[in-house]
Amino acid sequence: GAGVSQSPSNKVTEKGKDVELRCDPISGHTALYWYRQSLGQGLEFLIYFQGNSAPDKSGLPSDRFSAERTGGSVSTLTIQRTQQEDSAVYLCASGQGAGGYTFGSGTRLTVV
Amino acid sequence: AQSVTQLGSHVSVSEGALVLLRCNYSSSVPPYLFWYVQYPNQGLQLLLKYTSAATLVKGINGFEAEFKKSETSFHLTKPSAHMSDAAEYFCAVSLSQEKTSYDKVIFGPGTSLSVIP
Repeated sequence: GAGVSQSPSNKVTEKGKDVELRCDPISGHTALYWYRQSLGQGLEFLIYFQGNSAPDKSGLPSDRFSAERTGGSVSTLTIQRTQQEDSAVYLCASGQGAGGYTFGSGTRLTVV
Repeated sequence: AQSVTQLGSHVSVSEGALVLLRCNYSSSVPPYLFWYVQYPNQGLQLLLKYTSAATLVKGINGFEAEFKKSETSFHLTKPSAHMSDAAEYFCAVSLSQEKTSYDKVIFGPGTSLSVIP
């Protein structure tokens, strides 16, 4: 597709359940980012993939969070044993070259 | 490590007045700098970027920003505010040494712009 696609757009889950969030980056983009935006807050960096390099996981808030990127394309962010404080909009962005990054519309996660 | 600060979490201007949103960065090497805009209930959109070419960068919707190395600043301006400019604006920095190698992009906390009729 022409843009970064994220699914689902909205997810409501019960506390303690696991969730998977998906990101389809723009074809050919080697860089892929996950950010989290809580209500009224800025963007919190979570994880960064660049080509075949080891991902930068320095932003993941706890070991309940993990992400993978298969074949240098699609990425999945997994949150295990969700907590209410995990409720936020999870944004994916991809990029290539010296330009800025294109963001997806995000997945709004609500943990009840 | 690089970081970004945005002075003023909220800025209000009158319609037609100058818009000035401040951004300062800290980086040990020449950075790449970006401004993104987020309209209510929408995703982030790239406004403009500085990638070591011209220091005055023009973006969409009449916005521009000037990279000032001596001040480590990248302030965003627009000569005349429009009601449709009301949004959240984020400054971001990335350390980019080579055209094919990019460090992660770090965002500032954002500045909410209100435009008063």
